[in-house]
Amino acid sequence: DVKVTQSSRYLVKRTGEKVFLECVQDMDHENMFWYRQDPGLGLRLIYFSYDVKMKEKGDIPEGYSVSREKKERFSLILESASTNQTSMYLCASSSSVLVLHEQYFGPGTRLTVT
Amino acid sequence: KNEVEQSPQNLTAQEGEFITINCSYSVGISALHWLQQHPGGGIVSLFMLSSGKKKHGRLIATINIQEKHSSLHITASHPRDSAVYICAVMDSNYQLIWGAGTKLIIKP
Repeated sequence: DVKVTQSSRYLVKRTGEKVFLECVQDMDHENMFWYRQDPGLGLRLIYFSYDVKMKEKGDIPEGYSVSREKKERFSLILESASTNQTSMYLCASSSSVLVLHEQYFGPGTRLTVT
Repeated sequence: KNEVEQSPQNLTAQEGEFITINCSYSVGISALHWLQQHPGGGIVSLFMLSSGKKKHGRLIATINIQEKHSSLHITASHPRDSAVYICAVMDSNYQLIWGAGTKLIIKP
């Protein structure tokens, strides 16, 4: 079974803190994605990566950065957390960027910024 | 106006009822997906459609390309079907556009 794991299920941080969200997949997938999910809105793509050290901005990259030093690991960084970054963050991986039904999602990290 | 609209936003039904969740979109698409998000947060893909109808167990998905509309049906619903159901479309530029989801609660 494909497994996508995220470092924390729940996280509470203070405004201004630097926050790291980690995602690890065990299927040797080239592509990894970070989304945020807010009530009443669809998933919004923050960043994706199609190879080690490669990254592409998604729809809402502002306030975020990412790191992909190893194929299996994709990190989302909030340089200075703000309250409007309180959200559910979902990581996904896939062998193809074009095929959604082959994206495997992690369990999500619910981040609260106070 | 969102490019992908789902209705209803919330749905509560009794066990055994026939469930319909709707998805309308305003863009040209290459494919439409239905996904299920469990209360714990994980998302799994249910169907990918580009035309017609697909069935998997008690789940049926249909799409009408001319009307830009898709429906997800659940027959003989069960409490374990309680989840958020998400519609997502891939437009002609291979960009994913996500619906906001429909929260379904099935009561025993």
